Amino acid sequence: DVKVTQSSRYLVKRTGEKVFLECVQDMDHENMFWYRQDPGLGLRLIYFSYDVKMKEKGDIPEGYSVSREKKERFSLILESASTNQTSMYLCASSMDSYYGYTFGSGTRLTVV
Amino acid sequence: AQSVAQPEDQVNVAEGNPLTVKCTYSVSGNPYLFWYVQYPNRGLQFLLKYITGDNLVKGSYGFEAEFNKSQTSFHLKKPSALVSDSALYFCAVRDPRSYNTDKLIFGTGTRLQVFP
Repeated sequence: DVKVTQSSRYLVKRTGEKVFLECVQDMDHENMFWYRQDPGLGLRLIYFSYDVKMKEKGDIPEGYSVSREKKERFSLILESASTNQTSMYLCASSMDSYYGYTFGSGTRLTVV
Repeated sequence: AQSVAQPEDQVNVAEGNPLTVKCTYSVSGNPYLFWYVQYPNRGLQFLLKYITGDNLVKGSYGFEAEFNKSQTSFHLKKPSALVSDSALYFCAVRDPRSYNTDKLIFGTGTRLQVFP
């Protein structure tokens, strides 16, 4: 089975810190995605990537950036964390949307 | 623009009773449709999908979903609910004509509560 691993389950960071959320998949998937999940808002796409060094903005990219230097790793970066970025962050990968996505377990980030 | 709606924030059902979680979609052309389930503090797990073929799709844990093109719906169903089915359920849609945007659009989720 494909496994998507997010490096941290829980994180607490201070306002203004630079935060890195790491995601690794082990099945050579081309596509990787970062979502944030908030109650009542569902999943909102932040950024996605179709290949190494390729990235595209999703619906809510402001305040975030991403890095994909290797195929298996897709990092989400909060350049200067703010309290409104407190959320659950979910990483996903897919070979093709025909097959659906495989999600990581999520990182619950609290910015204080 | 493609979209998906889950009109119910929460569905309550007694154990042993049938359950339905509703989903409607709006896309041009033939959609790819998915259901995912999320247990507390976990990521989403794939339940089932409809791409083409038989309108009744069977998935994991005894769940099934019926694709209805005329009503643009893809409701999730189970004949007999279990307490362990209590979770957050997400419907998702992809527009297969969006060749260069291989994205799924998710609904806002429906919390299913099964009471003993």
